[in-house]
Parts: sequence; structure tokens; C-alpha cells
Amino acid sequence: AQKVTQAQTEISVVEKEDVTLDCVYETRDTTYYLFWYKQPPSGELVFLIRRNSFDEQNEISGRYSWNFQKSTSSFNFTITASQVVDSAVYFCALSEALGGGADGLTFGKGTHLIIQP
Amino acid sequence: DGGITQSPKYLFRKEGQNVTLSCEQNLNHDAMYWYRQDPGQGLRLIYYSQIVNDFQKGDIAEGYSVSREKKESFPLTVTSAQKNPTAFYLCASKRSGDRAETQYFGPGTRLLVL
Repeated sequence: AQKVTQAQTEISVVEKEDVTLDCVYETRDTTYYLFWYKQPPSGELVFLIRRNSFDEQNEISGRYSWNFQKSTSSFNFTITASQVVDSAVYFCALSEALGGGADGLTFGKGTHLIIQP
Repeated sequence: DGGITQSPKYLFRKEGQNVTLSCEQNLNHDAMYWYRQDPGQGLRLIYYSQIVNDFQKGDIAEGYSVSREKKESFPLTVTSAQKNPTAFYLCASKRSGDRAETQYFGPGTRLLVL
């Protein structure tokens, strides 16, 4: 069965510091998809990125970057020069292409990121 | 604007009462989902529907029911059989049942038991 682990329950940094959120996953499928979502205090989940298992190229989008490493089953998320508006709960999620289970995302428990001014 | 709407934002349930949470989307998506979120926890899948008039149980379907009579609507009923219904409920949709597709979420409904 698939599993997503976000070991960091809460991280607190001062504004402008860089911060990395860890995500480790387990799956038996060779084809799968990884996602990051942001949940601000309002509650709605905001989609950030999707990564296919066959594409290990790292991605950068402004201050956000993602490091996907199949060898360690990790898909880490780095925010550079953090800002107060980055404060939120961040979720990593997994979808298996051929998994026999339900068609839904398997979520980690989330990391609560606090950016202090 | 295209998106997913959920209503109400807050819902109160009395003991033994069934309540229905609304989820509507105008994205023309085929697939829709319901998740439950408890404090400090990730989201867990309740039910999903990949096409009109068809739906499947997720990981925690007991005490819940759904219907999918229209493409744009996927209401969730929390029945009296659900003994611990207090949670944040999130509806999502995606273009098709393809597992590579990205799910997009609504703003959520917070259910509280009186």
C-alpha cells in the first residue's frame, strides 16, 4: 500500500530564511505522481506542483523549488527567501497509476510552516 | 470564474441527524472527490465519482453517502451512523479519472456536532 511521510510536523523560521520541507513516499508502482499542496488558514488546498515518476528533473518556480529523487523516494520542497505569506500547512500527496485501490490521493500529515517577521 | 464551491461554510449537526454538504463545480470535470480532514492530520478519502451516476467508496466511507445525478454536483450526506463527524470536509474535482490528472479543491465545509 502507498504511504506518504512528512516527518516535520512544524517548522518555524524568520522571514528571508530558506526552508526545506521533506516528503518521503512508499509505493510498489513504477509509475506514480507526486503533488504538493498549500493550505492557508482559510482552509482551501492550493495546488503547487505535480511530478511524474519518470521525470526526475528538478523544478524551480520563482522562490519555490522541488527536488525529486527516486533513489531515496523523496520529493522535497524548498522555499527560498521565505515571506510571511508563505505561512501555511503544506501537504505532499501521491497517486499511483496502476494501484488497485481507490482513485484518490494519499496525503502526508502535513507540515505547518510558520514564517516570523 | 471557473471553480469549485462548497456550502455551507459551517454546519452544525444534532445527535441523530443527517446533514448534507453541497459541492458544485463549473470546470466541466468528470471526476469528483470527498475528503475528510481531522486536526493535525492529512486528508482521507471518503467517496469518489469518476462519471455521472457512478461512485465508489474510499478509505473511510462508513457513515457517509453520496449521489452523482449531475456532472457538476456531488453532495455528501453525513448520516447518524457516523459517530464522530466533527471534521473539515473538502471536495475536489479533476478533468477525468486518469490518475495523472491534478485534483483541485473547494474551500471546505466545517462540520460541528452540537
